[in-house]
Amino acid sequence: GESVGLHLPTLSVQEGDNSIINCAYSNSASDYFIWYKQESGKGPQFIIDIRSNMDKRQGQRVTVLLNKTVKHLSLQIAATQPGDSAVYFCAEIPTGANSKLTFGKGITLSVRP
Amino acid sequence: NAGVTQTPKFRILKIGQSMTLQCTQDMNHNYMYWYRQDPGMGLKLIYYSVGAGITDKGEVPNGYNVSRSTTEDFPLRLELAAPSQTSVYFCASSYSQASGYTFGSGTRLTVV
Repeated sequence: GESVGLHLPTLSVQEGDNSIINCAYSNSASDYFIWYKQESGKGPQFIIDIRSNMDKRQGQRVTVLLNKTVKHLSLQIAATQPGDSAVYFCAEIPTGANSKLTFGKGITLSVRP
Repeated sequence: NAGVTQTPKFRILKIGQSMTLQCTQDMNHNYMYWYRQDPGMGLKLIYYSVGAGITDKGEVPNGYNVSRSTTEDFPLRLELAAPSQTSVYFCASSYSQASGYTFGSGTRLTVV
């Protein structure tokens, strides 16, 4: 697999390989994190979330890892498929009243057949 | 269960025109949001609402207005359209403040 930070906008992987998408968040008060997938012409779609009292959460073919020490979030996609091609956003919600979801810039995942 | 429905899907406005972007949700969510997404960028919060009758500004509210007269509907109003408002607009709703947001499919607006 390959990994890239949010400052590199495109990740290209071979079909069948694992993908790792990284996100650095800045607000140490954030306690809820979500990964969204956005396909062309569609709205963001919830993939997986994690709360700050956890460091790992697994879904179907996806795993989210949270490292609060270095304020780092990653999304791992196992056996990447062509249908995984999309833009992926990490988002965070800080603790406190009236906190809203704040999105990162996004990374385009391109799957090579 | 339709989720979050936005209309129209596309619209072209002339500078100075006004329009309302419609958003409705059938999940009985108290929290609703409007975001805009510029090409190659993330989403920026315009306005949000924590319940009927309550609205508040987000990160980029200038040039927009909202109202929330019912739990289901959260329309976004552009009074004097400007080219800088060319963007894709997404409405979203959530059950609570710290739960996943459900997004609509977006309205692509071009101001010429």
